[in-house]
Amino acid sequence: GAGVSQSPSNKVTEKGKDVELRCDPISGHTALYWYRQRLGQGLEFLIYFQGNSAPDKSGLPSDRFSAERTGESVSTLTIQRTQQEDSAVYLCASPKGLALSTDTQYFGPGTRLTVL
Amino acid sequence: DQQVKQNSPSLSVQEGRISILNCDYTNSMFDYFLWYKKYPAEGPTFLISISSIKDKNEDGRFTVFLNKSAKHLSLHIVPSQPGDSAVYFCAATTQGGSEKLVFGKGMKLTVNP
Repeated sequence: GAGVSQSPSNKVTEKGKDVELRCDPISGHTALYWYRQRLGQGLEFLIYFQGNSAPDKSGLPSDRFSAERTGESVSTLTIQRTQQEDSAVYLCASPKGLALSTDTQYFGPGTRLTVL
Repeated sequence: DQQVKQNSPSLSVQEGRISILNCDYTNSMFDYFLWYKKYPAEGPTFLISISSIKDKNEDGRFTVFLNKSAKHLSLHIVPSQPGDSAVYFCAATTQGGSEKLVFGKGMKLTVNP
């Protein structure tokens, strides 16, 4: 596709369950970012991929959060034993080209996660 | 500790007038700044950016001004249009490394016809 896509668009889960969120970045882009936006807050950086490796995981809030990327394309963000404070919109972004942020990051529509 | 601050949560202006959105930052290592616009149920859309080597960047109706000594930037929209109504996010980064974006909390702009 032409843009960044994410699935599911909405996810409602019960506290304690595991969830997987998927991101399909722009085809051929080597860099990929995950952010989240909690209610009333700005976007928070979670993790950055360059190819299949993640040189910056500094934004992951706890060890319940993990992410992987395969084939320099699809990325999956996994949250184990979800808590109510995990409720947020999770956004994926990839740069337009091979350069990083100076080449602007294009965002997907996000996955709205609600933990009951 | 908020490194990027948008202190006004909302702004309302009349169509045709100027909209001025402000942003302050605390981290002197930031050297690249961006503005994003966000509509409900959509991801943020890139609007305009500025490097710290410049103090102004213009793109059509949108101009971003950077005052490094004050650690302040602003986005001017002239003339404002009803379609500009959205939430605007200021973001900053340091070039090199992961270049992760640090965002402000956003400001809701309403342009009234």
